[in-house]
Amino acid sequence: DVKVTQSSRYLVKRTGEKVFLECVQDMDHENMFWYRQDPGLGLRLIYFSYDVKMKEKGDIPEGYSVSREKKERFSLILESASTNQTSMYLCASSLPRGNYGYTFGSGTRLTVV
Amino acid sequence: GDSVTQMEGPVTLSEEAFLTINCTYTATGYPSLFWYVQYPGEGLQLLLKATKADDKGSNKGFEATYRKETTSFHLEKGSVQVSDSAVYFCALSHPKHSSGSARQLTFGSGTQLTVLP
Repeated sequence: DVKVTQSSRYLVKRTGEKVFLECVQDMDHENMFWYRQDPGLGLRLIYFSYDVKMKEKGDIPEGYSVSREKKERFSLILESASTNQTSMYLCASSLPRGNYGYTFGSGTRLTVV
Repeated sequence: GDSVTQMEGPVTLSEEAFLTINCTYTATGYPSLFWYVQYPGEGLQLLLKATKADDKGSNKGFEATYRKETTSFHLEKGSVQVSDSAVYFCALSHPKHSSGSARQLTFGSGTQLTVLP
């Protein structure tokens, strides 16, 4: 069964910490994405990557960065965590032609205190 | 820009009732359309999709037809079960001009469905 695996289901971090959220896919997909999900705001795209070492900003990149050193791994980095980054984070991957749909991970619920 | 509008939730139905969740979109050209489902505590799963006008996507008793003339992709099920309780997201996929081969999903805000026994 193909999978997108997010390293943690729940994380609690302190304000100002540097936080790494890891995502690994085993489907040899070119595209990978990071979204955050908040009540009443739906899903919002933070960053995406269409190739190793390539990245593009989504709709809300401020306060985040990403790293894609290998095709299967896409990391989201919160440089200095803040309480307004408390959210559910979802990773997804896809083939280049997006009409096949995206495969999502189970999500990481991050709480910044 | 592209956008997806879903009916507001929450929706509460009794088991075996008929379900419709409305979805309309705004996009240029010919996007692909999707319905995703999110069960409690989980990520999103692809439920069904349609890639061109008049296509009908179907899965697990759910159906949706790509209507270009009304820019709609309404989700329907004839008889819901308690296990269908989840959040349902309508989405469209359209090329991002700045990134060539990458496509992004634009999501609706989601509709919470609760089915009571």
